[in-house]
Amino acid sequence: GAGVSQTPSNKVTEKGKYVELRCDPISGHTALYWYRQSLGQGPEFLIYFQGTGAADDSGLPNDRFFAVRPEGSVSTLKIQRTERGDSAVYLCASSLTSLGGGTTDTQYFGPGTRLTVL
Amino acid sequence: AQSVAQPEDQVNVAEGNPLTVKCTYSVSGNPYLFWYVQYPNRGLQFLLKYITGDNLVKGSYGFEAEFNKSQTSFHLKKPSALVSDSALYFCAVRGPYGNNRLAFGKGNQVVVIP
Repeated sequence: GAGVSQTPSNKVTEKGKYVELRCDPISGHTALYWYRQSLGQGPEFLIYFQGTGAADDSGLPNDRFFAVRPEGSVSTLKIQRTERGDSAVYLCASSLTSLGGGTTDTQYFGPGTRLTVL
Repeated sequence: AQSVAQPEDQVNVAEGNPLTVKCTYSVSGNPYLFWYVQYPNRGLQFLLKYITGDNLVKGSYGFEAEFNKSQTSFHLKKPSALVSDSALYFCAVRGPYGNNRLAFGKGNQVVVIP
């Protein structure tokens, strides 16, 4: 079946610009996650949605970063006033949560969006 | 806070030899442990996970991992490495108390030499 998809695959922008990154989770998955992977590092958690609401946004580095998931499916990560330090691969993942709200389900990752801020 | 350490930057192994990628973790409570593999310009692919039960977990592509609670380790193993196993491997941990965030190690580059 279809996996997690992310668009665009590459995004080049100039310092100070606004960018949006999109994630389409696996159909039926209620949980969605954003991570950021800098060169030579493992992914770092940014934010997690259960349904439409952000259940944990403690990983967002500052208030320039914001994410939404208005209908509980597609999510958009928004970065305002981009800085060169925002350059990284942004990964999205989704998982199927149990009826009891259990959180042991595997996170499946998309291919990522490579953001370059010049 | 939960964390993972992958002490080696690169693991070189000859094709056909056993492959081991090391991982130690730190977390409050019982850990949920994962291994992912990343090929160039591609996302993370799930290999296997430990939640509870048997300490030896079998996963995709012939990989397995052994959970050792006393050593807080979760090393990834494959009895006979293939050239196609050359990739970046990540260990990850999350805690059991409703916190879904994964904490990843820095990754290990595995190079299988023909």
